[in-house]
Amino acid sequence: GEDVEQSLFLSVREGDSSVINCTYTDSSSTYLYWYKQEPGAGLQLLTYIFSNMDMKQDQRLTVLLNKKDKHLSLRIADTQTGDSAIYFCAENSLMGYGGSQGNLIFGKGTKLSVKP
Amino acid sequence: EAGVTQSPTHLIKTRGQQATLRCSPISGHTSVYWYQQALGLGLQFLLWYDEGEERNRGNFPPRFSGRQFPNYSSELNVNALELEDSALYLCASTRTGGNTEAFFGQGTRLTVV
Repeated sequence: GEDVEQSLFLSVREGDSSVINCTYTDSSSTYLYWYKQEPGAGLQLLTYIFSNMDMKQDQRLTVLLNKKDKHLSLRIADTQTGDSAIYFCAENSLMGYGGSQGNLIFGKGTKLSVKP
Repeated sequence: EAGVTQSPTHLIKTRGQQATLRCSPISGHTSVYWYQQALGLGLQFLLWYDEGEERNRGNFPPRFSGRQFPNYSSELNVNALELEDSALYLCASTRTGGNTEAFFGQGTRLTVV
């Protein structure tokens, strides 16, 4: 079945880089996503990567995809205290209508703590 | 442009009652997804509606149901509430024909006492 795994906690110092890792199981996923959730809030889409890419960079964020190992990572450069949040990795399920669109399968989230 | 809006933000119900949660997607989006975020369980997929039809359903009992209206807004109904239904319920919307970007609302916090 589909499953997305993430480590639950990560603690870094302000100014350091953070790397959040994720493994997924569905090799047919076309897109993989990173979402951020701050306390008491909904999910904010940070970035996503198409499965035929191996890297995507967007300002301080770098996403690396190793499709062979089904491993996805999110690197945050120059981590700030405002980056403290829970980060969710997600893959899209191709079940359902048309086979080209489906719901997202989420990991349990990685709580990033940034110390001053 | 308005994002995904959910109402109410908080809802308190007693066990056995029914709860109705509402979601308005981003303008131009026709697909609506519902997720449950219970403490310690992460985000669990509940329901997916597209063009007024239910397209997929997660592993939840039938007392979780919903619908999508002609204007693409959606309702989630939870009947015979149980204490373990207490959770944050999140709604997301995407355009039809591809879910490259799913945008989430702020959620409804349902508390069952």
